[in-house]
Amino acid sequence: EAQVTQNPRYLITVTGKKLTVTCSQNMNHEYMSWYRQDPGLGLRQIYYSMNVEVTDKGDVPEGYKVSRKEKRNFPLILESPSPNQTSLYFCASRLQGSEGYTFGSGTRLTVV
Amino acid sequence: KQEVTQIPAALSVPEGENLVLNCSFTDSAIYNLQWFRQDPGKGLTSLLLIQSSQREQTSGRLNASLDKSSGRSTLYIAASQPGDSATYLCAVRPGAGGTSYGKLTFGQGTILTVHP
Repeated sequence: EAQVTQNPRYLITVTGKKLTVTCSQNMNHEYMSWYRQDPGLGLRQIYYSMNVEVTDKGDVPEGYKVSRKEKRNFPLILESPSPNQTSLYFCASRLQGSEGYTFGSGTRLTVV
Repeated sequence: KQEVTQIPAALSVPEGENLVLNCSFTDSAIYNLQWFRQDPGKGLTSLLLIQSSQREQTSGRLNASLDKSSGRSTLYIAASQPGDSATYLCAVRPGAGGTSYGKLTFGQGTILTVHP
């Protein structure tokens, strides 16, 4: 089944403890992206990647890192999480030249 | 910077009613506009995509229109059903070229409740 898989689905962590949220797609999509969704603010783009080793900042990149070493994976790294990064995170992918985005099911992160 | 606004923020209607959700954007230099549906605890499902050169798209009971020059799109849902209850989001993709090509800007969504 064609899909975008995020792990974990739920995570509670403490301030300052490094964490990684994984995102993997099995559709050979070139484009991948991370979003966070907060009440009243909608979905905001964190980082995106047009292909392997090509990444760029979205609208809210502060406090996050990404890497794209392989086409299928696009992990989101929080080096020193803070409570203001408590949010619902979504990963998405798209085939270059195609229009449709496929979204993962989301990761609900709580930083205490 | 592109800004996308959706009105209303929430809508509650009885089953069978036709309804319209609105989306407006500030920069008309878009590549396309998409409408998504989000169910609680789930990811986003693409409903309709309208290219910048198109005026509307239809899928079943859904019809989306685009007026690029005025920065507006509407999603029309005919004969609403309780299963249509969800959050509806619109998102615009900027035109090709420039540093914003890979970005997708979302509105805040409209929470729709259709009651029996």
